[in-house]
Order: sequence, then structure tokens, then C-alpha cells
Amino acid sequence: AQKVTQAQTEISVVEKEDVTLDCVYETRDTTYYLFWYKQPPSGELVFLIRRNSFDEQNEISGRYSWNFQKSTSSFNFTITASQVVDSAVYFCALSEAIKIQGAQKLVFGQGTRLTINP
Amino acid sequence: EPEVTQTPSHQVTQMGQEVILRCVPISNHLYFYWYRQILGQKVEFLVSFYNNEISEKSEIFDDQFSVERPDGSNFTLKIRSTKLEDSAMYFCASRIAGGPTDTQYFGPGTRLTVL
Repeated sequence: AQKVTQAQTEISVVEKEDVTLDCVYETRDTTYYLFWYKQPPSGELVFLIRRNSFDEQNEISGRYSWNFQKSTSSFNFTITASQVVDSAVYFCALSEAIKIQGAQKLVFGQGTRLTINP
Repeated sequence: EPEVTQTPSHQVTQMGQEVILRCVPISNHLYFYWYRQILGQKVEFLVSFYNNEISEKSEIFDDQFSVERPDGSNFTLKIRSTKLEDSAMYFCASRIAGGPTDTQYFGPGTRLTVL
């Protein structure tokens, strides 16, 4: 069975600090996809990134970066020079490769509530 | 930029009543999903839908739930007889298969409150 663990329930930092959100996953599949979504206080789910299991290259997008390490089953997310607008709940998610046409459900972690204080 | 829309944004109902939550997926997407999020908890998968039929459902998605794509644009979730524990945020998502944009895009959610 697939499982995603975000051990950090809440993180609070001061603006401009760097912060890393941890994500550890479990799956028996050899091909899978990992995601990060942001849920701001308004409640919607905003897609941030998708990574497939055979692409371990790290990714950087502005102040955001992601570190995927298959050896430790981790897909961590770092925000550099955090800003108050980064305050949100961040979810890591996992989906399997296509086995059932039309499936590929997302399995979410519990989320990490990130608060950036001015 | 195209987006998934959901109506209503907030629905209040009495226990035992039927509710229908509506979603309009992104127009060229082929795969549709419903998820729910009980307040303060993680997002949980309910059901996926493709080619006019359910492709997968979770144990949460029991006989009280049903989904339908009544026309070319809407995708609905019906709860026949609501319970207090159905109170949650319900998210619709849609996906186009294949390519670099193959991911699920979520609507803004419908907050369901069962009294």
C-alpha cells in the first residue's frame, strides 16, 4: 500500500529564513509520481510540482527547490528566503503508475502547516 | 488559464438530506476525481472517473455516494442521505493524461456542513 508521511505538523519561522519541509513515502511500485501542493488560508489546492520516480534530478523554481532521493524514499521541499505569503499548509502526495485506466489517485500526507512571521 | 470550477462554494444541509456537489472540469481533460478533506486533516481520495464510468473508489465511497457526468461539461457528486461525518471540504480534480502537464488540477472546493 502507498503511504506518505510528513512528520512535521507545524513549522514557524521568521521571514527570510530558509525552511525545509520533509516528505517520506512508501510504495511497492517501481514507477510512481510525487507531488507537492500548497493550500493557502483560502483553502484551494495549488499544484507546485510533479516528479516521476526515474527522474532524481533536483529542481529549482525561483525560491522553491525540491530534493528527491530514491535511496531514502524522500522528496523534500525547501523554501529559500521565506516570505509571509508562503504561509500555508503544504501537502506531499504520491500516485502510482497507470495500472487501472483512469485511476492514478493521489495519496496525500498529513500536511505541514508553515507559518512565516514578519 | 483554464481552471476547474465548483459550485456551490458552501452548502449547509440537514442530516438525512440529499446533496449534489457540482464541478466543471477543464474542458480537454479526460479523467475526473473527487477528494474530501475533513477540517484540519489530510486530503482523502474518494473516486476516479473515466470514460463515463468509475475506475476506482475508496472505502469511503459507499452506497450513499454516486458520481455522474450528465453532460459534456459537468461532473457531479451526490450524497443520498447525509450524515454529520460527511461534513468536509470536497474537492473536484481533473487531469489530462500524458505529457509534462499530466497532473491533477483541483477546483476551489465545496465546504459541506451537515447539521
